[in-house]
Amino acid sequence: QVQLVESGGGVVQPGRSLRLSCAASGFTFSSYGMYWVRQAPGKGLEWVAVISYDGSNKYYADSVKGRFTISRDNSKNTLYLQMNSLRAEDTAVFYCAKDRETVVVTANLDLWGRGTLVTVSS
Amino acid sequence: DIQMTQSPSSLSASGGDRVTITCRTSQSITDNLNWYQQKPGTAPKLLIYAASSLQSGVPSRFSGRGSGTDFTLTISSLQPEDFATYYCQQSYSTPWTFGQGTRVGIK
Repeated sequence: QVQLVESGGGVVQPGRSLRLSCAASGFTFSSYGMYWVRQAPGKGLEWVAVISYDGSNKYYADSVKGRFTISRDNSKNTLYLQMNSLRAEDTAVFYCAKDRETVVVTANLDLWGRGTLVTVSS
Repeated sequence: DIQMTQSPSSLSASGGDRVTITCRTSQSITDNLNWYQQKPGTAPKLLIYAASSLQSGVPSRFSGRGSGTDFTLTISSLQPEDFATYYCQQSYSTPWTFGQGTRVGIK
């Protein structure tokens, strides 16, 4: 079954850290660029980060640059997002998503997980 | 950053109606435009990529057109399962940005 399953969300205090995971199955994970996209409660979608199929290239939205780190373990078919120095404005559902094409990064996201909610609050 | 403007922000329609949503970008993105559908409490679903290519498994009543800065998503005959929020997204350059969404509701 082709799917992405996120985990690791929860309630965290401002300034603390959290690591999200995304377990992939049903496709050749190591061939695809992977993304994190977030959605604040009742708001629209915001791209957060991308990592190339082999982990050699990573790009971030300015809003998270220097605080968040995207990584992947192709041997475990898992994508990660390490989030440090969290702020109230980071509160959102975080989705992982897969690129439609192998190897190249197209930002055409054809498979999404169900998301994990991160709440930053004291 | 490339700004995305969708219109309308919401609309009400009846089953069988033809519905068109517009997305305008702040600079030319050639055909690097995607459309997603999102239902409450669920993840977005890719409908159209590269402005006009129908994603596998998506019904043919959905179609996309446009290039440059002006794009449209059309649902030729609205079905009950199409009531949702629709987002455009540019895949031309980072940061990849989304429109604010168009909510399609029941009249």
